[in-house]
Amino acid sequence: QLVLTQSPSASASLGASVKLTCTLSSGHSSYAIAWHQQQPEKGPRYLMTLNSDGSHSKGDGIPDRFSGSSSGAERYLTISSLQSEDEADYYCQTWGTGIVLFGGGTKLTVL
Amino acid sequence: EVQLVESGGGLEQPGRSLRLSCAASGFTFDDYAMHWVRQAPGKGLEWVSSITWNSGSIDYADSVKGRFTISRDNAKKSLYLQMKSLRAEDTALYYCAKSPYYDSSGGFDSWGQGTLVTVSS
Repeated sequence: QLVLTQSPSASASLGASVKLTCTLSSGHSSYAIAWHQQQPEKGPRYLMTLNSDGSHSKGDGIPDRFSGSSSGAERYLTISSLQSEDEADYYCQTWGTGIVLFGGGTKLTVL
Repeated sequence: EVQLVESGGGLEQPGRSLRLSCAASGFTFDDYAMHWVRQAPGKGLEWVSSITWNSGSIDYADSVKGRFTISRDNAKKSLYLQMKSLRAEDTALYYCAKSPYYDSSGGFDSWGQGTLVTVSS
């Protein structure tokens, strides 16, 4: 069964870097995912699509501070030079035949 | 610039119906698959339904199958969600989202701001 797993929370200091993880369920390590950001009281914003080989394509206007990488069934979103506006919920998403799935989301706190 | 504007939300009683609309602009609407996603208060994102560019393939989450119907009018650049037999657990902010391709692969590359549906007696 296709499942995406994310840690519920993460925190990092202003100006530092943070790496968020999204894990694909067993047997689905070849799947691509997308990362989305949802700032407080706002709609989601597409960040990037991330392939199993680590290649990724970002959405329009997404700063270079946001990058993606992959290792096996893990998909990562790295945010460098953290800013206060990066405090948000981050969701990974994937898709299969007849289905679209979201991870539970990671709430990022910028200290 | 891609714009997706949802409308049609509101307060409705359990068992009743509601129709959501999403007006699209800034891109060639009939080239892309479209989706509905919802977010219950304080909860995460939940995919609801997807429709390909020509309405040739339609999918639903199990939670809404048989009650909700997705459709699109490419001439009007609009996406719809007909919601029937509403339940309290359908209460959520409903988002319209665009696929980067004609089919439902590739995730979502644009989102609307959402329309709130509240189901309560």
